[in-house]
Amino acid sequence: EDKVVQSPLSLVVHEGDTVTLNCSYEVTNFRSLLWYKQEKKAPTFLFMLTSSGIEKKSGRLSSILDKKELFSILNITATQTGDSAIYLCAVFNTDKLIFGTGTRLQVFP
Amino acid sequence: DAGVTQSPTHLIKTRGQQVTLRCSPKSGHDTVSWYQQALGQGPQFIFQYYEEEERQRGNFPDRFSGHQFPNYSSELNVNALLLGDSALYLCASSFDRLDYEQYFGPGTRLTVT
Repeated sequence: EDKVVQSPLSLVVHEGDTVTLNCSYEVTNFRSLLWYKQEKKAPTFLFMLTSSGIEKKSGRLSSILDKKELFSILNITATQTGDSAIYLCAVFNTDKLIFGTGTRLQVFP
Repeated sequence: DAGVTQSPTHLIKTRGQQVTLRCSPKSGHDTVSWYQQALGQGPQFIFQYYEEEERQRGNFPDRFSGHQFPNYSSELNVNALLLGDSALYLCASSFDRLDYEQYFGPGTRLTVT
């Protein structure tokens, strides 16, 4: 059965800290891995990764994929209170997304 | 450019009732996928509509059905509601059924009492 596992489930940090969120997967017909940020309702797109070893970067956020070891990490440096959210990892399998449970990040001032 | 829209925002129903949720895709998108997100869980794929047909289906019972209209908008219908159907229902649209990047709507929060 296809599955996506995220860790940790929850993380509490102070502003300025750096965090690393993990995502491992066992999915047939892997096409790509995506990261989303969910604050209230709609998940918003962060990154899409299809190739191993190529880092994607957007401001303080970065992500990388390892297709041999079947995992991805999402790094957030110099965290801010606005980074507080649930971060979802999903694998695109043929034509649907398979999501992990998410990591809840809380950033306190 | 309007993004994905969903209606209604919130809905409260009683066990055994039926519900219809609606979704309009992002302009230029012709594929709509529906997801159910229970509290504390990641979204679970329900089904996908493309060219007015159901193309893929997740592990959901037949009580969950859908429809796609010629203008690409879509409906999700759930019959014989159970307490366990309480969740956030998300609609996502994409350029086509093989497009990785799916844009999500704000969701409909369904509460079954």
